[in-house]
Amino acid sequence: GQQVMQIPQYQHVQEGEDFTTYCNSSTTLSNIQWYKQRPGGHPVFLIQLVKSGEVKKQKRLTFQFGEAKKNSSLHITATQTTDVGTYFCAPQGAQKLVFGQGTRLTINP
Amino acid sequence: DAMVIQNPRYQVTQFGKPVTLSCSQTLNHNVMYWYQQKSSQAPKLLFHYYDKDFNNEADTPDNFQSRRPNTSFCFLDIRSPGLGDAAMYLCATSRATGGFGYTFGSGTRLTVV
Repeated sequence: GQQVMQIPQYQHVQEGEDFTTYCNSSTTLSNIQWYKQRPGGHPVFLIQLVKSGEVKKQKRLTFQFGEAKKNSSLHITATQTTDVGTYFCAPQGAQKLVFGQGTRLTINP
Repeated sequence: DAMVIQNPRYQVTQFGKPVTLSCSQTLNHNVMYWYQQKSSQAPKLLFHYYDKDFNNEADTPDNFQSRRPNTSFCFLDIRSPGLGDAAMYLCATSRATGGFGYTFGSGTRLTVV
């Protein structure tokens, strides 16, 4: 399966600060998905990136797929307490999704 | 609302006593997955069904088995639970195996005593 390294593992920010998590692969990815898991909850699908250099936005969230399709990032502008949770990148390989280690975001209100 | 439902939400079982977790979906998705998630870790794929075609991950212990009697239902059987099997078990569905987001159920938290 396609393995990815996700960094940082943890991130603590003040409310209103920006947040970025990175996902890196040693191999070219066909696509990558992003999920959010709230504390005590289940993963929720956020977005899928497929094209080289693709950038997609969802309100304060910006998702990027690298030109070489080996890395991806999620950037949150002006974090709010509702953004708390673990963000996972997940490349989709042959018939399955393999999750990165996740970045756990905590926010000081 | 179309969704993925897992029962029970919490399950306590005795060491070595077989236990079955259930998952149902109203999305009519072809693919159903079982993931195991331990505390502060990423979900780990155990196996999946594409329709009736079963696909087992190479490192999934033999202790874990699955059944999918029809499109809507999928079961996870743990034949002899050990303390190391305590985890959240997540069921997910997708329309196909590529290019679609997964819809997860709320999970079943398994405790082994």
